[in-house]
Amino acid sequence: DQQVKQNSPSLSVQEGRISILNCDYTNSMFDYFLWYKKYPAEGPTFLISISSIKDKNEDGRFTVFLNKSAKHLSLHIVPSQPGDSAVYFCAATNAGKSTFGDGTTLTVKP
Amino acid sequence: DAGVIQSPRHEVTEMGQEVTLRCKPISGHNSLFWYRQTMMRGLELLIYFNNNVPIDDSGMPEDRFSAKMPNASFSTLKIQPSEPRDSAVYFCASSPWNNQPQHFGDGTRLSIL
Repeated sequence: DQQVKQNSPSLSVQEGRISILNCDYTNSMFDYFLWYKKYPAEGPTFLISISSIKDKNEDGRFTVFLNKSAKHLSLHIVPSQPGDSAVYFCAATNAGKSTFGDGTTLTVKP
Repeated sequence: DAGVIQSPRHEVTEMGQEVTLRCKPISGHNSLFWYRQTMMRGLELLIYFNNNVPIDDSGMPEDRFSAKMPNASFSTLKIQPSEPRDSAVYFCASSPWNNQPQHFGDGTRLSIL
């Protein structure tokens, strides 16, 4: 039973365009959601988060949207840059315990 | 500031041997997490500690796995005896408290032959 799903294993976009990464969850008890970015041979690094009481959080080029009724969150990157090429994980947290999706590999082409 | 430090970075050993993975969390962080990443199961939480006390070890696969946190600056994950199916990348992470973004180490790539 996978509680956090990232249905797109990969995504390719052109530099300067928008990247949209999606994540679905099933457990309505999750109250805090995060996105992490991972480069090869490194650990994940925190990117942006959102509390369940909000529907949007923005930090520079990164915006996370939360739709609680649909149990869906998305990460928008605008404009996309080649350095954004990495694996992106969404994570959902309840009582301090985080459950991760399988990741989406984003490739930004120059 | 030093991040989360894991050692060793790579470990190759034979089936049946004891394996010990080490982690030094960020100073001042109260929560510590151990994860395992495999192709089949993705990134899964094994165990986490708050203030050096194990809070949830429901992700520990079986009795061959054990984790300790003797003080705020050190934790170990031990596998005894090791099996080929334990081959994975093991990550340690810490956070100021358990509902905040986690800081990950660069992982230990474990290969059991």
